Amino acid sequence: EAGVAQSPRYKIIEKRQSVAFWCNPISGHATLYWYQQILGQGPKLLIQFQNNGVVDDSQLPKDRFSAERLKGVDSTLKIQPAKLEDSAVYLCASSTRGLTYEQYFGPGTRLTVT
Amino acid sequence: AQSVTQPDIHITVSEGASLELRCNYSYGATPYLFWYVQSPGQGLQLLLKYFSGDTLVQGIKGFEAEFKRSQSSFNLRKPSVHWSDAAEYFCAVGERAGGTSYGKLTFGQGTILTVHP
Repeated sequence: EAGVAQSPRYKIIEKRQSVAFWCNPISGHATLYWYQQILGQGPKLLIQFQNNGVVDDSQLPKDRFSAERLKGVDSTLKIQPAKLEDSAVYLCASSTRGLTYEQYFGPGTRLTVT
Repeated sequence: AQSVTQPDIHITVSEGASLELRCNYSYGATPYLFWYVQSPGQGLQLLLKYFSGDTLVQGIKGFEAEFKRSQSSFNLRKPSVHWSDAAEYFCAVGERAGGTSYGKLTFGQGTILTVHP
């Protein structure tokens, strides 16, 4: 069974530029999560999708971050414009029954904002 | 609001020694509890989980954890550590789904494990 795929693995941008991350969850997984992991901290949930609908985006900085999940499968997370404090690893995860059942994580995208 | 505290930022043990990583949680009801491991440059891998029932939970790679409601703790243990166990370990609490809750996971800040030969 293929795992959660993410791209790119690494990205370096200057502040005020925009960037997008892509995630392909495990086939059949209805729930998809985006987490932000700042160095030295645990992952923090940014947004959770159930199929293609958002069920929790309470910690997403909506003035600069956006996310979508097309057709309930792949998802894209965008930052526009980026700030220095956005430097982090962005993790995508998916799960079958959602709602706290086992989440499978991708390798993450390491973003550096200079 | 739910929260997780991992008091030890960094732990060093010798190979073959026993290990205990501490985790304390705050949650208003019986929680879902998880331990994840993250190797450098990798995503998180689930080691074990507690939903209900037996408070001693067995996981992969020889790890176990014990849920102690009275202490609000879910400590991770391994009787004999291998060099390959060196990684960062995260405890997480998940809210039970229902009503307006969607089962959000909240992670601790992590404990880095170093293993000396």
